[in-house]
Amino acid sequence: DVKVTQSSRYLVKRTGEKVFLECVQDMDHENMFWYRQDPGLGLRLIYFSYDVKMKEKGDIPEGYSVSREKKERFSLILESASTNQTSMYLCASRPNPGQGGEKLFFGSGTQLSVL
Amino acid sequence: AQTVTQSQPEMSVQEAETVTLSCTYDTSESDYYLFWYKQPPSRQMILVIRQEAYKQQNATENRFSVNFQKAAKSFSLKISDSQLGDAAMYFCAYRTNNNAGNMLTFGGGTRLMVKP
Repeated sequence: DVKVTQSSRYLVKRTGEKVFLECVQDMDHENMFWYRQDPGLGLRLIYFSYDVKMKEKGDIPEGYSVSREKKERFSLILESASTNQTSMYLCASRPNPGQGGEKLFFGSGTQLSVL
Repeated sequence: AQTVTQSQPEMSVQEAETVTLSCTYDTSESDYYLFWYKQPPSRQMILVIRQEAYKQQNATENRFSVNFQKAAKSFSLKISDSQLGDAAMYFCAYRTNNNAGNMLTFGGGTRLMVKP
């Protein structure tokens, strides 16, 4: 079974800190995604990547950046954490469409609190 | 831009009964996919069911079935014989089927409670 692993389940940071959220998948998927989940708003896409070193902005990229140096790893970076970035962050991956790529595989999420 | 709306923030159902979760979406595309994902307390998102827009037949997966009304842009999920393990957040999601359609758009979610 596909495994998507997020490095931390809970994280507490201070305002202004640089924060790294790491995500690793073990199925050689081309596509990886970072979402944030907030009550009543569902999941909103921050960034996605369709190949190594490639990235595309999602719906809410402001305040975030990403890095994909290796195919299996997709990092989300908060350059200067703010309290409005307190949220649940979910990483996901999937292969290309046509290769069984209709299903997203999710990690278990990182609950980030910025104080 | 596509939008997905789930108008029921919370629903409850008695164990063994049937419940329907609503979802509507807005798109100008004709070829797309629709999904229902389940998120239990463990936070692991699980794909429940998917529907391809060009298929008229409603998708079914065991106790889960959908009512897909393309003209009305409606995609509801029916859970039959509800079980305690069905308690979770349920998210409806949309994905276009063109080459640029690499993103899922999610609704706001419905929390389903199952009463014993």
